[in-house]
Amino acid sequence: KQEVTQIPAALSVPEGENLVLNCSFTDSAIYNLQWFRQDPGKGLTSLLLIQSSQREQTSGRLNASLDKSSGRSTLYIAASQPGDSATYLCAVSGNTPLVFGKGTRLSVIA
Amino acid sequence: GAVVSQHPSRVICKSGTSVKIECRSLDFQATTMFWYRQFPKQSLMLMATSNEGSKATYEQGVEKDKFLINHASLTLSTLTVTSAHPEDSSFYICSAGGTAHNQPQHFGDGTRLSIL
Repeated sequence: KQEVTQIPAALSVPEGENLVLNCSFTDSAIYNLQWFRQDPGKGLTSLLLIQSSQREQTSGRLNASLDKSSGRSTLYIAASQPGDSATYLCAVSGNTPLVFGKGTRLSVIA
Repeated sequence: GAVVSQHPSRVICKSGTSVKIECRSLDFQATTMFWYRQFPKQSLMLMATSNEGSKATYEQGVEKDKFLINHASLTLSTLTVTSAHPEDSSFYICSAGGTAHNQPQHFGDGTRLSIL
């Protein structure tokens, strides 16, 4: 059974810092990995999707990497801003629908 | 981009009431939609897979008679929480996208259900 773990559970950083969020999964037989953002009481916004054949994806200040063999992904956020404050969820897709981690709650302090 | 609309965004009702939540794909057709539940500070847990024109597939531990799913068209799936009780209070989110698991999913904004 696929399990997804995200570390840390919460993170607080001053504005302008670069930061890394971690995601690990137990079954490397995945089709893709997605990173989502969730604001309090809201739905999910897809940030980046990495297919299993890819190593990384970039969108603006966000860069996600994938090491399928070791079951790890990282989300790098450059020059963080207060507007980046949210919960970031990692999810993997394999032979089952998406399996989510519990998320990392990020606070960027102005 | 693909848009999924979920309605209502918030429901507060008395115990014993049945509540219907709608999930619509606005600019694409979805033969498959997914329903998730999220408890505070927890991750999203898949409840069921909604299949257009056929019965939904429920995850282990999810009561199909409690959570009725209807996917009557290619753009609409509904989740009805029957005879809701306080323990059913949660955040319910739907998603739609490709039928294959390697295709990205697009999520609705969720429904906050509070049963008094």
